[in-house]
Order: sequence, then C-alpha cells, then structure tokens
Amino acid sequence: GIQVEQSPPDLILQEGANSTLRCNFSDSVNNLQWFHQNPWGQLINLFYIPSGTKQNGRLSATTVATERYSLLYISSSQTTDSGVYFCAVEASYNNNDMRFGAGTRLTVKP
Amino acid sequence: DVKVTQSSRYLVKRTGEKVFLECVQDMDHENMFWYRQDPGLGLRLIYFSYDVKMKEKGDIPEGYSVSREKKERFSLILESASTNQTSMYLCASSPQGRRETQYFGPGTRLLVL
Repeated sequence: GIQVEQSPPDLILQEGANSTLRCNFSDSVNNLQWFHQNPWGQLINLFYIPSGTKQNGRLSATTVATERYSLLYISSSQTTDSGVYFCAVEASYNNNDMRFGAGTRLTVKP
Repeated sequence: DVKVTQSSRYLVKRTGEKVFLECVQDMDHENMFWYRQDPGLGLRLIYFSYDVKMKEKGDIPEGYSVSREKKERFSLILESASTNQTSMYLCASSPQGRRETQYFGPGTRLLVL
C-alpha cells in the first residue's frame, strides 16, 4: 500500500517561532488531510488538501501532488499549537484505504 | 457541531475478556471508522462501514469484529482481548462521499492486562 512519511518526528519551538512540517507519500493520491491531535487526544481536521495551497489563520498547507509531498506551515506558534500533527492520504488506486503517517510531535514552549 | 462520542475514555480489561467499544455520532453520517493509534505508527484502520449492516476490513482487522445495527452507532468488538491490543482506539464518521470531512471521537485508551 501507499507509504506515508512525516518529518521531523519531534519538534520543539519557542513561542512565536515559525515551523514547517513535511509529509512525503509514495503514490498518487486523491485525498490528503492534515490533522492536529491535542494533548488530550482529540483529533481535529486542519486541511483537506490533495493539491494546491490553503490558508487558515496562522496555518497554511501546500501539496505538490506531482512531487508527492505536502507541507504544513505554522507561523507565530503558540503553546496551544502543541500536540501531534498527522498527515493522512488516500491513494488514487484505493479509495477505501486512508493511511496515516507516524506524526510530528510539536512542543511549543512559552 | 458534529459530535462523535465514545463510551469510555479509559478501560482496563483482562486477557481473554470480550470487550465492546461503542461509538455514536449525531450527524446522520453514512460512514464510520475504527482506528487504533500506537506510538510511532500513527493511526491504522481496523474496520469501516458505509451503511447500516455493512462493514469492510481495514489494515488490521485480525482479532476484531464490528457491528452496525443502527446508522448512528458503530461498535468495535474484541472477542478475546490480548495484551497486544492495548492501545488508543479512535472512532470517526464522515458524510457519504466526503471522506475529507472525517470527524473523530475523543478516543478510548484500552489497557489489557
């Protein structure tokens, strides 16, 4: 099946710093999403972005489908941004199989 | 707001016990999913359902079964719990044909002793 790799696995930032999280995938996709899991375990969908660029406040995401990667940008980070960020993809050849990466654990220090 | 609830936040069971994890969603979604989350592995799909009484295997269905008798409820069953099923279990739902809007429950941390 499709492989999903996220980097870095862990990231520690000072409040106010910017960061970029990366998601590489091994095949063409028709669905790519970024999720944030807060320290209490709740997963929230951030972006649905199989291609192109989207922005939502301090967060933005870009997917370059032809090169099989997606980037999540966090600007002016806040302590509430802490948690685990997951990338999840659905391969074009298998609509029933959404694969999650292992996640990037972000810690934002005050 | 979409609400996906799971019956327990924490559960402790013994090896060999039958375990039921319940998930309920209140938005009339057709699709429901069960994942398990383990450190370093992300989320892995166990089973999903596109309609009442319908189910499809995900990546790791072994040792699990599911039941969907009503549209709003999707149950995950561990017939005979084992220690390697200690994990965080997450339920999700989404509208028909709109997998991009998957909503997750708060999760159940299961410990099998």
